[in-house]
Amino acid sequence: GESVGLHLPTLSVQEGDNSIINCAYSNSASDYFIWYKQESGKGPQFIIDIRSNMDKRQGQRVTVLLNKTVKHLSLQIAATQPGDSAVYFCAENAGGTSYGKLTFGQGTILTVHP
Amino acid sequence: DAGITQSPRHKVTETGTPVTLRCHQTENHRYMYWYRQDPGHGLRLIHYSYGVKDTDKGEVSDGYSVSRSKTEDFLLTLESATSSQTSVYFCAISESKGLGSEKLLFGSGTQLSVL
Repeated sequence: GESVGLHLPTLSVQEGDNSIINCAYSNSASDYFIWYKQESGKGPQFIIDIRSNMDKRQGQRVTVLLNKTVKHLSLQIAATQPGDSAVYFCAENAGGTSYGKLTFGQGTILTVHP
Repeated sequence: DAGITQSPRHKVTETGTPVTLRCHQTENHRYMYWYRQDPGHGLRLIHYSYGVKDTDKGEVSDGYSVSRSKTEDFLLTLESATSSQTSVYFCAISESKGLGSEKLLFGSGTQLSVL
């Protein structure tokens, strides 16, 4: 089956820098993408999502970019803070009636140094 | 965690014993899901439910069964636990209470160790 993958398993940044976490997907039928943040000992927490009819979506300090041509997804975090340190997962949904049947990537560990 | 309670939070059991994990939600959501999380695999869907007594299999359903006798509770059962089922189990609900939604809200997880 097709799955979502990540280019970089770890990312270290300085506080105040911008962070970019990348994700590649291979299922061309996917029409919904979502980013989660997971802190140690906790469940995944929703950050931002985007549908395939959009290229960009912004939230508070976060932006998701979708490039369907190369099947690439990225999460940008502005002015990264120590509290942003966590594992970040991208996930995709193949559309149709596959509600909640998300396919997750393996995750990227983001470490923010003060 | 979106009104989701998982119990127990931690469980250690022996190979061959039955284990039941419980997911309880307080907000009357129709869709509920069980995922497992393992290093190198991210989260994978085990089973899901789209209503009382309505369930279906996910990607990694072998060795697991589920039941949903009322809206608020979704149970995951390992009939005869194996070491390969050592994992962190997450329950999730669809954000939309009625119709399904791709956006999921997750519980805090259950750490299960099978010795």
